[in-house]
Amino acid sequence: EVQLVESGGGLVQPGGSLTLSCVASGFSLRSNWMHWVRQAPGKGLFWVARIDIDGRPTNYADSVKGRFTISRDNGKNTLYLQMSSLRPEDTAVYYCVRSVYGVYGNFDSWGPGTLVTVSS
Amino acid sequence: QSALTQPASVSGSPGQSITISCTGTSSDVGSYKYVSWYQQHPGKAPKVIIYEVNNRPSGVPDRFSGSKSGNMASLTISGLQAEDEADYYCISFTSSNTWVFGGGTKVTVL
Repeated sequence: EVQLVESGGGLVQPGGSLTLSCVASGFSLRSNWMHWVRQAPGKGLFWVARIDIDGRPTNYADSVKGRFTISRDNGKNTLYLQMSSLRPEDTAVYYCVRSVYGVYGNFDSWGPGTLVTVSS
Repeated sequence: QSALTQPASVSGSPGQSITISCTGTSSDVGSYKYVSWYQQHPGKAPKVIIYEVNNRPSGVPDRFSGSKSGNMASLTISGLQAEDEADYYCISFTSSNTWVFGGGTKVTVL
């Protein structure tokens, strides 16, 4: 069974840093594109970042570029999102998402999400 | 990267058909066949119901269908059922090699 489980969320002060992890099971991370998508409380979905099967290239939404870094450890079957210079508007549930390789836009597996709260 | 434009809400009676629009630009929806639709029930993670404009993953009922014309994509739900009440989001690939979601549409079954 394909499963994604995020961790690392929590309360952080503005300007602070946090690293999210996503452990994959039931499939090999190295064979799939992976994304992070977030959802602010009561708001819509927002695409954050993606990483290719080899770890390159990576792409980011403009609002997080230069502050967030997506990476993967295929050996640990784990996806990461390093977040720095956090702002209150980054407060959201962050989802780890698998995208079927070669099929654009088929985000077929989602984790339950981890909540990041940026507040003083 | 402006969000794609969706109506905030759409409603219909059981058995009716409804259509949700998703308007983008020539830099996203208008240039690629990579438009997908996601259904999200309250407190749940989103679920893909349409990818690459009009492809349904296995297990998604055929009353869900997608189309695209120019800068606008559409999701049609035929034979609306109570369990279709949810939020729906479109997403498109962009010329910047990024993805952009629509603002979401709340579907209410009357």
